[in-house]
Amino acid sequence: DAGVIQSPRHEVTEMGQEVTLRCKPISGHNSLFWYRQTMMRGLELLIYFNNNVPIDDSGMPEDRFSAKMPNASFSTLKIQPSEPRDSAVYFCASRDLAEEQFFGPGTRLTVL
Amino acid sequence: GENVEQHPSTLSVQEGDSAVIKCTYSDSASNYFPWYKQELGKRPQLIIDIRSNVGEKKDQRIAVTLNKTAKHFSLHITETQPEDSAVYFCAASNSGYSTLTFGKGTMLLVSP
Repeated sequence: DAGVIQSPRHEVTEMGQEVTLRCKPISGHNSLFWYRQTMMRGLELLIYFNNNVPIDDSGMPEDRFSAKMPNASFSTLKIQPSEPRDSAVYFCASRDLAEEQFFGPGTRLTVL
Repeated sequence: GENVEQHPSTLSVQEGDSAVIKCTYSDSASNYFPWYKQELGKRPQLIIDIRSNVGEKKDQRIAVTLNKTAKHFSLHITETQPEDSAVYFCAASNSGYSTLTFGKGTMLLVSP
């Protein structure tokens, strides 16, 4: 298995633009998580899905952030419009029933 | 909700010394405690975990201890090597479909 796959790995955009981050979880994992990591705030959980259903989105900072999981093998995190303070590394992670959680390589987002 | 505190925030040791990182948690229902290692520019990776039905677990130079009464758990690295230099995160969760609550991380620096 290739592990959790994220794209793009790096994204540089200008303030006000829409940004879409993509994630493919490990096959067979039924939970998917989106995290944001910054030096100031550490590793923050944004939202998580169980069996493709959003369970807890209390970590989503604002209405500018939205996430979807249309099927078991794909999820997106969208920021519209983006702002400089959204600059961070965004990780997707998936988990199996044994609870071991695997992280993807992350997307480094820079909003100018 | 769960709150995980981690100490110290930075730890510098000489190669060959031992390193200990400590975490406390607040939710007595938590029963799964993983530790992640994150090298610079990389994803967090699980290095060891412990469940509440055991008090200690070892894997080569790494060990984790759990004290459920005091609600704290610790990571012990013996015979440290420069490649152990990284940020280490502890986490806690209530098993099932709950989420991991992460500590703020400890930057471990091992000097040759």
